[in-house]
Amino acid sequence: EIVLTQSPATLSLSPGERATLSCGASQSVSSSYLAWYQQKPGLAPRLLIYDASSRATGIPDRFSGSGSGTDFTLTISRLEPEDFAVYYCQQYGSSPPVTFGQGTKLEIK
Amino acid sequence: EVQLLESGGGLVQPGGSLRLSCAASGFTFSSYAMSWVRQAPGKGLEWVSAISGSGGSTYYADSVKGRFTISRDNSKNTLYLQMNSLRAEDTAVYYCAKDRAAAAPPVVLDAFDIWGQGTMVTVSS
Repeated sequence: EIVLTQSPATLSLSPGERATLSCGASQSVSSSYLAWYQQKPGLAPRLLIYDASSRATGIPDRFSGSGSGTDFTLTISRLEPEDFAVYYCQQYGSSPPVTFGQGTKLEIK
Repeated sequence: EVQLLESGGGLVQPGGSLRLSCAASGFTFSSYAMSWVRQAPGKGLEWVSAISGSGGSTYYADSVKGRFTISRDNSKNTLYLQMNSLRAEDTAVYYCAKDRAAAAPPVVLDAFDIWGQGTMVTVSS
């Protein structure tokens, strides 16, 4: 089973700033089958990025994903107030099982 | 509109059973693998189980294997999760989720592009 480790656990930034979230895998993620999700309190997760760098339908272009192998990054170029939430990475290349990272909380500074 | 709607959650005693349902609409249900993902209060996401579009293949997390059974009725566009021998650690919001696309073998599952609103399961005496 691939273990995903996200860093930092909490990221404090201001609107307009750039956010960089990291996701490290315990072994190489097959074919970059890695996704990123955003979750706001009381709501279901929302798919942002799949296959490491492809934006899901309707996702603004300020969200971008990169990486391969064991190191992946989600970048939010200029933070909007609605971007403050918890973000999870997920690998599905070596599934089952699908595995998720423990999450990064992006909070307003 | 593509939509998933879960039901069936509630309060159950340890050792009890519960069946969750997930009604799908707005897409060709039988063409996509489906999963259940849970989230314990204040915790992260945990994949629980998945089933292929035809229903012929099923997959489980080790934490629920032998206790939970996933199934689907493609004629009713509905996904199910039968949960037996429930434990306190099964307490969570349970989400059903749709695969974004048909996975390319040998990969079994894809990213989850549509999620239900979740149904709460509480296991307590």
